Amino acid sequence: QKEVEQDPGPLSVPEGAIVSLNCTYSNSAFQYFMWYRQYSRKGPELLMYTYSSGNKEDGRFTAQVDKSSKYISLFIRDSQPSDSATYLCAMSGAAGNKLTFGGGTRVLVKP
Amino acid sequence: DTAVSQTPKYLVTQMGNDKSIKCEQNLGHDTMYWYKQDSKKFLKIMFSYNNKELIINETVPNRFSPKSPDKAHLNLHINSLELGDSAVYFCASSQDISGPQHFGDGTRLSIL
Repeated sequence: QKEVEQDPGPLSVPEGAIVSLNCTYSNSAFQYFMWYRQYSRKGPELLMYTYSSGNKEDGRFTAQVDKSSKYISLFIRDSQPSDSATYLCAMSGAAGNKLTFGGGTRVLVKP
Repeated sequence: DTAVSQTPKYLVTQMGNDKSIKCEQNLGHDTMYWYKQDSKKFLKIMFSYNNKELIINETVPNRFSPKSPDKAHLNLHINSLELGDSAVYFCASSQDISGPQHFGDGTRLSIL
């Protein structure tokens, strides 16, 4: 079993819908949680960066971390076709900064 | 201006050759990384340097040798390339060892 599990999708939604993404993890030492967006043939782009449990909002994006359940989520409101990409969750522990990534969820937002 | 830039973007070469990939960041960051993304899209860390010192060295064949001539550069040299080395290699940097990481656009390595 991988340390970080993420449904590969694809997740197809109509334009304007809410996109809901999540990851589960097994390592209770993880304390820093990130979401990256990766377009085809591009590098991962940092969207959200959170520490420990709680919610964080940035524009149309909301990240949630539930450390008790080892579960993190990303919500994208008012989705646009330009949001079509692969979304990767990543996390690291307190010591050092070795990121462990999920396999990514491919999202398709249809006009 | 590109924050983290890698060269070359594409590299096609034959098995057994030696090749290098270069990475430069203009963000003033102290920490740099090399990741490998395989065909199933999983990103795995290979190496990390902080202020030119190696701090993370995952289980990577010793055919792979990173070098950091200064804080803004981290290169990756690969000897005796094998078919399994075909992947996309990403460079990343962060302000320090605990900061969020910013990635380059990758080097696509194909071994014939």
